[in-house]
Amino acid sequence: DAGVIQSPRHEVTEMGQEVTLRCKPISGHDYLFWYRQTMMRGLELLIYFNNNVPIDDSGMPEDRFSAKMPNASFSTLKIQPSEPRDSAVYFCASSLKPNYGYTFGSGTRLTVV
Amino acid sequence: RKEVEQDPGPFNVPEGATVAFNCTYSNSASQSFFWYRQDCRKEPKLLMSVYSSGNEDGRFTAQLNRASQYISLLIRDSKLSDSATYLCVVNPRGGSQGNLIFGKGTKLSVKP
Repeated sequence: DAGVIQSPRHEVTEMGQEVTLRCKPISGHDYLFWYRQTMMRGLELLIYFNNNVPIDDSGMPEDRFSAKMPNASFSTLKIQPSEPRDSAVYFCASSLKPNYGYTFGSGTRLTVV
Repeated sequence: RKEVEQDPGPFNVPEGATVAFNCTYSNSASQSFFWYRQDCRKEPKLLMSVYSSGNEDGRFTAQLNRASQYISLLIRDSKLSDSATYLCVVNPRGGSQGNLIFGKGTKLSVKP
């Protein structure tokens, strides 16, 4: 298995632009998680899905953030409009069950200027 | 009290040293515990799960103290390649429910 695949690896965009981050989980994993990591706040859960259904989106900062999982092999995290404070590394992770631990993707390093 | 707390370090130790990290968690109902390792500018990777009876994997030993709500990681005979940030992770709900809560990590630097 290729692991969790995220794209793009790096994204630099101007404030106000729309940003779309993509994730392909490991085949057979029922759980998919989006995390954001910054030096100040560490790893923060944004949203997670179970069997393509959003279960907990309480970590989504505000309405500018949205996430979808149209099928078991693909998820997107969208920021519209983007702001400089959104600059962070965004990780996608997948798991059979949370108590089995997660496998993370390589992350997307987002810079909003 | 934060859900998962760790000493951020850095811990600077010489090669061959033994080093231990502790982590405390706030939810006494937490069921699953892990240590992850994160190298600079890389994704976190599962190092080991932590079981109630304690568990060992080569030079690494993890222990859980439910009464005091802390988890420990012991690294023996430190190698240069052990330099990384170690994240303490807790599943506050356990089983197939909920998500993992990550501590901010403890940075370890092993020097020659």
